[in-house]
Amino acid sequence: DQQVKQNSPSLSVQEGRISILNCDYTNSMFDYFLWYKKYPAEGPTFLISISSIKDKNEDGRFTVFLNKSAKHLSLHIVPSQPGDSAVYFCAASVPSSNTGKLIFGQGTTLQVKP
Amino acid sequence: ETGVTQTPRHLVMGMTNKKSLKCEQHLGHNAMYWYKQSAKKPLELMFVYNFKEQTENNSVPSRFSPECPNSSHLFLHLHTLQPEDSALYLCASSQVLGTNGGETQYFGPGTRLLVL
Repeated sequence: DQQVKQNSPSLSVQEGRISILNCDYTNSMFDYFLWYKKYPAEGPTFLISISSIKDKNEDGRFTVFLNKSAKHLSLHIVPSQPGDSAVYFCAASVPSSNTGKLIFGQGTTLQVKP
Repeated sequence: ETGVTQTPRHLVMGMTNKKSLKCEQHLGHNAMYWYKQSAKKPLELMFVYNFKEQTENNSVPSRFSPECPNSSHLFLHLHTLQPEDSALYLCASSQVLGTNGGETQYFGPGTRLLVL
């Protein structure tokens, strides 16, 4: 049972346009959500996060939206740049006392075309 | 060195070999993690160490043996692995606040392991 799902394995957008990456989850107890970016041969790099008490968090070109009733979050990148081409993972934090455990989606490969 | 480092970056081993992966974090965090990433699969959590104590073992086979001598270092000892264990092994660290999570994990570059 996969608790965090990224149903689109890949996405291609034109440079300068908006990229929207989606993520769905099943556990309503998740309280913290993160997006990571991963280039080939590197580890995931933290991008942006959002607490379940918010519905939007913005950092420069990156905005994460959270819709708790739909158990859905999305990452908007605008304007998209060729350097944004990477695999994007969403992750959810398991509410527990001591582990900081994260559950990851399968990832979406974003390609930004010049 | 800054952040989270992992050595070696690449490893090829036979099924009868014994090897170890090393992870070091320079962030002053109190929790460290081992993940496995196989092709086209989500990152799979293997082990969690919090304050040097193992707090989670995610049903990992005994041929993988973690060791956390202090809060900055984490090892993954490998022995009699199978070809299906070939994957990218990622280490991460975070500062666990002891409440309901909400901490960001920072990852190392990973060790690409090939078992022949």
